[in-house]
Amino acid sequence: TQLLEQSPQFLSIQEGENLTVYCNSSSVFSSLQWYRQEPGEGPVLLVTVVTGGEVKKLKRLTFQFGDARKDSSLHITAAQPGDTGLYLCAGARWDGANNLFFGTGTRLTVIP
Amino acid sequence: DAMVIQNPRYQVTQFGKPVTLSCSQTLNHNVMYWYQQKSSQAPKLLFHYYDKDFNNEADTPDNFQSRRPNTSFCFLDIRSPGLGDAAMYLCATSREGGTGKNIQYFGAGTRLSVL
Repeated sequence: TQLLEQSPQFLSIQEGENLTVYCNSSSVFSSLQWYRQEPGEGPVLLVTVVTGGEVKKLKRLTFQFGDARKDSSLHITAAQPGDTGLYLCAGARWDGANNLFFGTGTRLTVIP
Repeated sequence: DAMVIQNPRYQVTQFGKPVTLSCSQTLNHNVMYWYQQKSSQAPKLLFHYYDKDFNNEADTPDNFQSRRPNTSFCFLDIRSPGLGDAAMYLCATSREGGTGKNIQYFGAGTRLSVL
């Protein structure tokens, strides 16, 4: 059972365009993280959101946690080729388990 | 400076020949994880150590074992690799402090090829 569904699964856009990636679940999470992974490397943490409705900005990237803590979005403004990679959302829960529940991933390609 | 270090970065083994992947960390985190990741998919958790306590995922094959001799090191042993075990193996660490955040820090991964 996949707890977190990401959409779209693949996205190819031109440099300078805007895009939004969605991470949805029917489960509630205590926090949600976004990672970016480049080919041949491990995932790198971009941001952690904790509070329902929270919005965090990281340069051209804007992250939002849903009010009910069940979903999140990542918006990239004026995408650059350096934004290319696999974007993964991952949720943590309060149930004491030490696991992160990873989303299905979004493969972004930004074409120069 | 790398905080979670995986060696080797690339490993080639033969079908059925045991292989060990290693992970070390300088973060002094109490939890260490091993994930398997196949092309363009999300990482799949194999198992994790909470301090010395080993936690296996229900669907992790018996072919995969792990050892954690001390806080800093963790090993992934694949006893008899099959062609389907070719993948990227990721090690991650976290400091479990009851915050509910479970922020994990990943190594660069080991790409395993099985011939």
